[in-house]
Amino acid sequence: QVQLQESGPGLVKPSQTLSLTCTVSGGSISSGSYYWSWIRQPAGKGLEWIGRIYTSGSTNYNPSLKSRVTISVDTSKNQFSLKLSSVTAADAAVYYCARVALAEIFDWYFDLWGRGTLVTVSS
Amino acid sequence: QSALTQPRSVSGSPGQSVTISCTGTSSDVGGYNYVSWYQQHPGKAPKLMIYDVTKRPSGVPDRFSGSKSGNTASLTISGLQAEDEADYYCCSYAGRYIVLFGGGTKLTVL
Repeated sequence: QVQLQESGPGLVKPSQTLSLTCTVSGGSISSGSYYWSWIRQPAGKGLEWIGRIYTSGSTNYNPSLKSRVTISVDTSKNQFSLKLSSVTAADAAVYYCARVALAEIFDWYFDLWGRGTLVTVSS
Repeated sequence: QSALTQPRSVSGSPGQSVTISCTGTSSDVGGYNYVSWYQQHPGKAPKLMIYDVTKRPSGVPDRFSGSKSGNTASLTISGLQAEDEADYYCCSYAGRYIVLFGGGTKLTVL
């Protein structure tokens, strides 16, 4: 069955760029009508959607993060990635990658999640 | 866009039913039938429980059901069990290719 696994540095310095990768195993990232997404959760707080990408490279981002976020995909490696620039302490969170099931153009939901990876922002 | 509004906590005894509300606006919850619900146990990743307001993915017990009225969606859990104790999050399409999550509700099984 398809599984998602986040990877990347657990510690990022303030003002630097956070970079994470999600590896999709057990299936092709290009198969089916799926987008691929990043979601984060600060400690003790709720979920925040960051953005999503299709294998064509088409992206949509949370307007509150759009100026600092880039999501990319590498179909040859079955991976998609997140870059968040100019991080501050407010960006410290568990970052999840997730598969986005797309039933219709506006009908999408997160049907498969990675385990999450904790990112701390500190000098 | 602001997060959808959920009660911070709800509780119920085993066997009882509880309902968790998720209030938005006509631009998100009220404007589309694209509300999903996620269950999250401590230290674990969220799990999809309901999508398209009322639909259950394969493997989710039929004790879990969803509904919507106006700008408020609801998740009802009937026949509460100890393993239902978790945090629950709603999520809605909000137009312009974005989604919003609710702030989360902690369910305690007494």
